[in-house]
Amino acid sequence: EVQLVESGGGLIQPGGSLRLTCLASGFSFSKHNMNWVRQAPGKGLEWVSYISYSVSTIYYADSVRGRFAISRDNAKNSLYLQMDSLRADDTAVYYCVRENEWLYYFDHWGQGMLVTVSS
Amino acid sequence: DIQMTQSPSTLSASVGDRVTITCRASQSISTWLAWYQQKPGKVPNLLIYKASSLESGVPSRFSGSGSGTEFTLTINSLQPDDFATYYCQQYKSNSYSFGQGTKLEIK
Repeated sequence: EVQLVESGGGLIQPGGSLRLTCLASGFSFSKHNMNWVRQAPGKGLEWVSYISYSVSTIYYADSVRGRFAISRDNAKNSLYLQMDSLRADDTAVYYCVRENEWLYYFDHWGQGMLVTVSS
Repeated sequence: DIQMTQSPSTLSASVGDRVTITCRASQSISTWLAWYQQKPGKVPNLLIYKASSLESGVPSRFSGSGSGTEFTLTINSLQPDDFATYYCQQYKSNSYSFGQGTKLEIK
């Protein structure tokens, strides 16, 4: 069974940093591109960042470029999101999302991790 | 970046109705489009990928169509479990994007 389990969220002050981790199991992690998607309270879904299976390609949404960094460790079946210079509008549930290996749509989502940026 | 626009934002319907949600892309995305259903407090659930392919386990009353810039999600014979928010998403470009969502409410 595919499982994506996020950790590392919580309450952080504006300007602070936080690192999210997604631990994957039940599939060949190293064969899949991965993404982070977030959802602010009561709002819609917002794609945040992408990393290819080989780590050769990385993309960011304009809203986080220069502040967030995505990475992965295929040996540890883990995906990361380093979030720096956090702002109140970064408050959201952050989802770790797997892409289908051949057709690239988002086929599995983690349960999500709440990040609250507030003083 | 590719912008995705859904309409309507809110849709009121009754059990048994047939409803259609539209999603428009700001430039051609071929058929690189997916549809998701999300219920309050829950994780989004994939319904349709590649614009018209039904995800395994999704009821056949859900269908998708379109290509290029205009897409539709149709739900035939609405069931009580279908009242939720629906999102389209393009995955063609190197900056993925979602529509703003369509909330399907009980009339």
